Amino acid sequence: DTGVSQDPRHKITKRGQNVTFRCDPISEHNRLYWYRQTLGQGPEFLTYFQNEAQLEKSRLLSDRFSAERPKGSFSTLEIQRTEQGDSAMYLCASSPPWREANYEQYFGPGTRLTVT
Amino acid sequence: GNSVTQMEGPVTLSEEAFLTINCTYTATGYPSLFWYVQYPGEGLQLLLKATKADDKGSNKGFEATYRKETTSFHLEKGSVQVSDSAVYFCALTYSSNTGKLIFGQGTTLQVKP
Repeated sequence: DTGVSQDPRHKITKRGQNVTFRCDPISEHNRLYWYRQTLGQGPEFLTYFQNEAQLEKSRLLSDRFSAERPKGSFSTLEIQRTEQGDSAMYLCASSPPWREANYEQYFGPGTRLTVT
Repeated sequence: GNSVTQMEGPVTLSEEAFLTINCTYTATGYPSLFWYVQYPGEGLQLLLKATKADDKGSNKGFEATYRKETTSFHLEKGSVQVSDSAVYFCALTYSSNTGKLIFGQGTTLQVKP
């Protein structure tokens, strides 16, 4: 098991373009999270999947953002009509099925998005 | 709402110095508390956790005690090493919801030889 992987690691795009990021969680982890981290700040929660169901979305996730997790395995995060304010590190994390005292999230290396 | 506040950085220490990074939280109910660490060029890693009041989390010489009366979870280490240089994040979550993490803004630690 190689941990959570994210692709691409870096993305530079022009304002107005659409971008899509992929996250591959640790196998058998049914919980998956997306966070956004801007420079000098802590990560902020964007959305949560349990298996293939998207159970929570942050108010940060505007209509231009959409996330999917078909078949409860990998997940994608798409940003349409990118804006300069979307420039950030996008982090994915996964966790095993919920059990008592089982809170750890395993983070991927992130995708750094730069919108020019 | 729920939030986490950490001391401002960067914190610069000499090797073998004592480390404290302050963390306080605002939350309803009884959250679980965490310290995550981000080494240069790497992803976030869980450093330690505490799930109820008076619990002490510890790992790699770091410790933090869940203080409900002061709503704090300060990170300490008795003797830091150059390899401890990283960004440290305090965070909380609730076991009754999705488990999403709420992070502080992070504190950069630089340890000089």
